[in-house]
Amino acid sequence: DAKTTQPPSMDCAEGRAANLPCNHSTISGNEYVYWYRQIHSQGPQYIIHGLKNNETNEMASLIITEDRKSSTLILPHATLRDTAVYYCIVPGAGGTSYGKLTFGQGTILTVHP
Amino acid sequence: DGGITQSPKYLFRKEGQNVTLSCEQNLNHDAMYWYRQDPGQGLRLIYYSQIVNDFQKGDIAEGYSVSREKKESFPLTVTSAQKNPTAFYLCASSIERQALYGYTFGSGTRLTVV
Repeated sequence: DAKTTQPPSMDCAEGRAANLPCNHSTISGNEYVYWYRQIHSQGPQYIIHGLKNNETNEMASLIITEDRKSSTLILPHATLRDTAVYYCIVPGAGGTSYGKLTFGQGTILTVHP
Repeated sequence: DGGITQSPKYLFRKEGQNVTLSCEQNLNHDAMYWYRQDPGQGLRLIYYSQIVNDFQKGDIAEGYSVSREKKESFPLTVTSAQKNPTAFYLCASSIERQALYGYTFGSGTRLTVV
């Protein structure tokens, strides 16, 4: 699996945009970038994924750089309920990592009033 | 509603005993996975199964066993050989082997050895 690097923690004011960065400099051409989040003591929740183009859904936007070595998850109007651990994941495209997601320590996002 | 059900939510076990954690899904997903999470840590893969009657060890399989006799079910047994079993256990499934549509997670089982 391509290795990802995320800051351990970030803060954001309620109502503001939260921009969570992720570095995946060893990503290969056919590997997707996935984002999940985990609210305390619950199972992780899928947010969004992308390959090359920027993606947007009802939860967030994903901006992937042109060289695909980094990406940013954007929560446009953060609320207190967005306080969670956010994981950036690049699963392997084949072999023993086929279909297997590897979760690192992620970024603890704290949204404050 | 479709989803993944893990039971029980909290489980206490005496040291030296085996215990089985249940995971059932009605999403018709092919692949299922078991993860372990320790406080302040990310998720570590224990076992995964891409198809019925087949499963592979993950990164920390020692002291655990699984079975996949039915598509809907992927129980995890924590054996007495697992040296430090107290943790939060999460089951997940994906629509296909490539997991292109992402994972669906259960709500987890918190196991405590007393």
